[in-house]
Amino acid sequence: AQSVTQLDSHVSVSEGTPVLLRCNYSSSYSPSLFWYVQHPNKGLQLLLKYTSAATLVKGINGFEAEFKKSETSFHLTKPSAHMSDAAEYFCVVSSSNDYKLSFGAGTTVTVRA
Amino acid sequence: GEEVAQTPKHLVRGEGQKAKLYCAPIKGHSYVFWYQQVLKNEFKFLISFQNENVFDETGMPKERFSAKCLPNSPCSLEIQATKLEDSAVYFCASSPKQAHYGYTFGSGTRLTVV
Repeated sequence: AQSVTQLDSHVSVSEGTPVLLRCNYSSSYSPSLFWYVQHPNKGLQLLLKYTSAATLVKGINGFEAEFKKSETSFHLTKPSAHMSDAAEYFCVVSSSNDYKLSFGAGTTVTVRA
Repeated sequence: GEEVAQTPKHLVRGEGQKAKLYCAPIKGHSYVFWYQQVLKNEFKFLISFQNENVFDETGMPKERFSAKCLPNSPCSLEIQATKLEDSAVYFCASSPKQAHYGYTFGSGTRLTVV
């Protein structure tokens, strides 16, 4: 069994300040972890993924995430938020046995000018 | 191509009508998945395919939902006799042989049942 908990339903930041989106997971098997972003009325775009290689993962648009097995966390960060980062962010876990994805409840990011 | 192509983008059906959604996975990807996004933050797994074969159908409401992935054709998801609660965005994703290494999602089909 696997599950994902996104600890913040809503994060509001000022443009140019850091963004932190928190995600904890549980998985019975070796997990793969992903962060996806969804802009209003759009599809899911992959930001980055962890698949058992380097624990610090760099993604698109300046985002990065660190896999911490001891804390079962996969938090997403960006040093400087841009207005275009306003969207819904999903932390997702997949297991190597059945390939099903479990989605977190999402974090809505708003960026203040 | 490197995109998962879903058609149509929007579909409106009267209650009881049939709806058919299509998904062209990335060429060379072995797995196709269908997910239903009912509420903004709720994704429900429906079915997955390994090439043309059903891999996992534990999420499918079988009495009205069916799906296929045939060679040289887009995959399809069909809903017979749609109900109001079928209104959702349906996402297709494809992934390579090592499925859990990466999932590319299409832009979704928004189904509205009126």
